[in-house]
Amino acid sequence: NAGVTQTPKFRVLKTGQSMTLLCAQDMNHEYMYWYRQDPGMGLRLIHYSVGEGTTAKGEVPDGYNVSRLKKQNFLLGLESAAPSQTSVYFCASSYLNGLAGGKQFFGPGTRLTVL
Amino acid sequence: AQSVTQPDIHITVSEGASLELRCNYSYGATPYLFWYVQSPGQGLQLLLKYFSGDTLVQGIKGFEAEFKRSQSSFNLRKPSVHWSDAAEYFCAVGSGNTPLVFGKGTRLSVIA
Repeated sequence: NAGVTQTPKFRVLKTGQSMTLLCAQDMNHEYMYWYRQDPGMGLRLIHYSVGEGTTAKGEVPDGYNVSRLKKQNFLLGLESAAPSQTSVYFCASSYLNGLAGGKQFFGPGTRLTVL
Repeated sequence: AQSVTQPDIHITVSEGASLELRCNYSYGATPYLFWYVQSPGQGLQLLLKYFSGDTLVQGIKGFEAEFKRSQSSFNLRKPSVHWSDAAEYFCAVGSGNTPLVFGKGTRLSVIA
C-alpha cells in the first residue's frame, strides 16, 4: 500500500514551458486535492475533485488545469509556466466523508522551479 | 468566508518543556478543526481532529487540542516536548461542504 505518490519529485522549467504533475493513490479515495505551499503562506488549494470525472476550483486555480479521468489519478497541468508558479506542490486524498470531514493523506510533494 | 489564524510564525522551546500552539478560526457554523504536522521535506500528517462532542481531543504523538467555541480557538498542546517534535504545524478548518482552509503554519524549534 503506497498511499499517495507524486511524480516527479523535482522539476525545473523555463518560463512558457508546460508540464503535468501526476498524483496517484491506492486507497480508493473519492476526494483528491492539489495544494501549493509557499514560504509564509501555508497551503493553498489549487483544484480538487470529489470523484472520477469531476473537478472544481480552489482558492488559487489560475494558470493550472486538472483532470481526474481515473479514480486513482489526479493530474495537475501547467500550460505556460511562470516564475510565480515556483512552489512545492502537494497532492492529497481523503475518504468519502464530505470535503473537509475526512482525514487527508498527503503525498511527499513536488518541488517546481520556473526560471 | 472561513479563515484560520496562527499568530505565532516561529516558536522555540526547550526539550521537556510544555508547548502550546495557538489557532484561531473564523467560521459561521460549527467547524471541523484539524491539526497537521509537517516534518522537513515531507508531506503533512494528521495529528488530531475535532468534529463534535468532547471539546478536548487527543491525537498522536502525545498531542491534544481543546476547542473553545467562545474564543473561536483550537490550541494544540503537549506537556513535554521531544526533539523529534521539531516541525511545522498547521491548523485547518472546514466543513462537510467546503474544502479545508489551512493556516500559515507555526514552525517549532526544540533546543536542548
